[in-house]
Amino acid sequence: DQQVKQNSPSLSVQEGRISILNCDYTNSMFDYFLWYKKYPAEGPTFLISISSIKDKNEDGRFTVFLNKSAKHLSLHIVPSQPGDSAVYFCAAGTYKYIFGTGTRLKVLA
Amino acid sequence: DVKVTQSSRYLVKRTGEKVFLECVQDMDHENMFWYRQDPGLGLRLIYFSYDVKMKEKGDIPEGYSVSREKKERFSLILESASTNQTSMYLCASSLVRGVWETQYFGPGTRLLVL
Repeated sequence: DQQVKQNSPSLSVQEGRISILNCDYTNSMFDYFLWYKKYPAEGPTFLISISSIKDKNEDGRFTVFLNKSAKHLSLHIVPSQPGDSAVYFCAAGTYKYIFGTGTRLKVLA
Repeated sequence: DVKVTQSSRYLVKRTGEKVFLECVQDMDHENMFWYRQDPGLGLRLIYFSYDVKMKEKGDIPEGYSVSREKKERFSLILESASTNQTSMYLCASSLVRGVWETQYFGPGTRLLVL
């Protein structure tokens, strides 16, 4: 059973608008959550993280929100840029992470 | 900057061959991981190691083994490659075996088993 789910396989957003990527998890013991970005033929690169003691973390255009009661996290990208087009993976766990299936974001110029 | 390198970007092997995938990290990280990435399945953990000569099974260890003789190097071995092991293989490392440690990934090895 998939413990970390990204229910949207793809998302298209106009340049300059907000991109919202969602992730749901089932294990309430998870206490650290990460987002990775992956371009084709490259390894994932770390984007932003949040621990379970917070509900929001910002880094420039990227903000991650955590709703522990709903077991849901989201990544907001504002404003979206064409270079943000990539596959985004969420991951959850402690020192060992379970990854979601990824959401392919396409930012249209 | 953390650097994780993988020995090959692309590999083509035949069914039944023994395959070695090597990963090296240069930041004295304790933990190293092997994942495979398949369409619609995301990244799945095969094996990980939190110290030299230590290894633990991940979620899909069947058909694979690993070796960690030196801290900086973690090898994934396919004892007898099969077509269902065609995949993108990703190595990662993280600093210590504690909570809240970011994993850093290598560029990946795309393996095709014919």
